[in-house]
Order: sequence, then structure tokens, then C-alpha cells
Amino acid sequence: GDSVTQMEGPVTLSEEAFLTINCTYTATGYPSLFWYVQYPGEGLQLLLKATKADDKGSNKGFEATYRKETTSFHLEKGSVQVSDSAVYFCALRMEAGNQFYFGTGTSLTVIP
Amino acid sequence: AAGVIQSPRHLIKEKRETATLKCYPIPRHDTVYWYQQGPGQDPQFLISFYEKMQSDKGSIPDRFSAQQFSDYHSELNMSSLELGDSALYFCASSRRTGAGEKLFFGSGTQLSVL
Repeated sequence: GDSVTQMEGPVTLSEEAFLTINCTYTATGYPSLFWYVQYPGEGLQLLLKATKADDKGSNKGFEATYRKETTSFHLEKGSVQVSDSAVYFCALRMEAGNQFYFGTGTSLTVIP
Repeated sequence: AAGVIQSPRHLIKEKRETATLKCYPIPRHDTVYWYQQGPGQDPQFLISFYEKMQSDKGSIPDRFSAQQFSDYHSELNMSSLELGDSALYFCASSRRTGAGEKLFFGSGTQLSVL
């Protein structure tokens, strides 16, 4: 069935380090792909999305490219900040049925 | 591996009707969260339960109520439905440990109010 697998955490990085959080998916159709972020004490927020192959979503310095050939949507940021400390969720939504499938979340801690 | 199960997957109701959404957490998970995601919006936290007791309350309308049962499944009851209640309702479960909490999401119930 449809599913999302993302990198296990927790991830701890120093400020200004490069970040990659891996996400791969399994889907029978043509899903849209999302990254959500949950900051401490807050709810889920959409970080970025891509709706078709080769699309690149970007926001707040984060980027992810929809790679159909590798069924991946890895999240990257060139230089993380302490304020990026949060839990990141990869998700997909099938075009039919509007069902979402979430990964289990990756906790990121950025230390000064 | 077992995941979070939500039922039904789709539900169509008319205004002023009631609806009940169900969430079955992963076995041995003790915490359940409910979220509402309107079209084009971020998921909004509604309410959570830990060990069958309400643990936190978000933007849940008074027309809605929820509970967690002895088998840890949870139900979200929605009355006097309004058009604006049309949304995707997520449930997530977790098991609280000293090492932190990892959320596992269900695939959602799509509620359409006509």
C-alpha cells in the first residue's frame, strides 16, 4: 500500500551545518508530497510541498525535490539555525481520495 | 506492522446532522491526538488524550466532544454539523516514554458536510 518512510532521528547538528532528512515513498499513483514541521509547543505547519515529478518545494531556506525515479523527497537546508529545532514530518497525499500518509517524524536539534 | 486506523475513510453528512469518527491507535500506544485540516490549511490541533484522560485541548468547537476508551481507541463526536466542518480529520497516536514521543498518523477521515 501507499506509505512514507523517513529517516529515523533524533538528529543533532551544530548551527550552520548542512541538513538532510531523507524521505522515500511508496505509492500506486501520482501523489503530492509534503514536508510538515512541528515546533516545540506548537501544532503542525506546512513547510513546503511539490505536486508533480521534478517539482522543487522551498520555504525558509529548506528545499525538497520530488524525484519520481528514486521515489524520494529529501529535505535539505544549507545552513541550519537554532530556531530550526523541531520535528519534521514527510507526507504524501494521493490524488484520489484525499488520504494522507505521514512518516513518523524526525526530531532535529540545532545547537549553537 | 500495525498502523493507526481511522474509520470511516470518507463520510458525507448534511447540515445539523451528527457524525462519529473513530481512531484505533497502534497497540500499546497510550496517547491519541485529533487534528482537523481544512482545504488548503495547516492541520489544527483539536484535542488529545493520555491514558483515557483528556490531556490537552486545542481549537475544538463546543459542538464536538471526544473520548478515549478502555481499549485506547478514541472517538470524535460532532453534532450540529456545519458546512465549515468539512475537512480532513487526522488521528495520531504515540507512546510516551522518557526518551521523547514519536507520533504515528492515521490516513485521515474526509468529512463532507452538504
